[in-house]
Amino acid sequence: DAMVIQNPRYQVTQFGKPVTLSCSQTLNHNVMYWYQQKSSQAPKLLFHYYDKDFNNEADTPDNFQSRRPNTSFCFLDIRSPGLGDAAMYLCATSPKGAGTDTQYFGPGTRLTVL
Amino acid sequence: GQSLEQPSEVTAVEGAIVQINCTYQTSGFYGLSWYQQHDGGAPTFLSYNALDGLEETGRFSSFLSRSDSYGYLLLQELQMKDSASYFCAVITGRRALTFGSGTRLQVQP
Repeated sequence: DAMVIQNPRYQVTQFGKPVTLSCSQTLNHNVMYWYQQKSSQAPKLLFHYYDKDFNNEADTPDNFQSRRPNTSFCFLDIRSPGLGDAAMYLCATSPKGAGTDTQYFGPGTRLTVL
Repeated sequence: GQSLEQPSEVTAVEGAIVQINCTYQTSGFYGLSWYQQHDGGAPTFLSYNALDGLEETGRFSSFLSRSDSYGYLLLQELQMKDSASYFCAVITGRRALTFGSGTRLQVQP
């Protein structure tokens, strides 16, 4: 089945140790998104790609970077994780540009920072 | 910027009808979406309204009034499995979703 896959599902890292989360999709969608969701809060958009066009949210910390080497894969790099970065990280895809009506979410990666 | 308001918690009994309201302030509005999220799970798409009026999908319906910057999600014949968080989200010209803070629905027997 076509889907959005995130690996790993659970990631533990140490304070300040770089970590990379990955997302892949078999939907061939143009747009890929990364969200951060903390406990009992709404998903917060970090950035998104429309094809190779990168769009960073104004309040996304510089500590967070992203790469999209091809249509299928997108990576979230956290250069120096802090305790406050512990959260669920959700990847989503969308088949359209402006006015898109549906985003397809992966199962998420839960990041723990020790 | 965008802001959305929705109740933090709603409780209802099985078989009942519940309405979750959402008001928003945004620029470049394209539409209003609703997502369901069970504890520990990912958000899943429920409905989308770009135009005024009611959209019905099975037990769920969603309504939008663009002039009032207001929408709601209506859940009928509630089941225990409907216990989850429900998020409204606005879609802007930046191709991105901004989520409301979520409404936690508890369905009781």
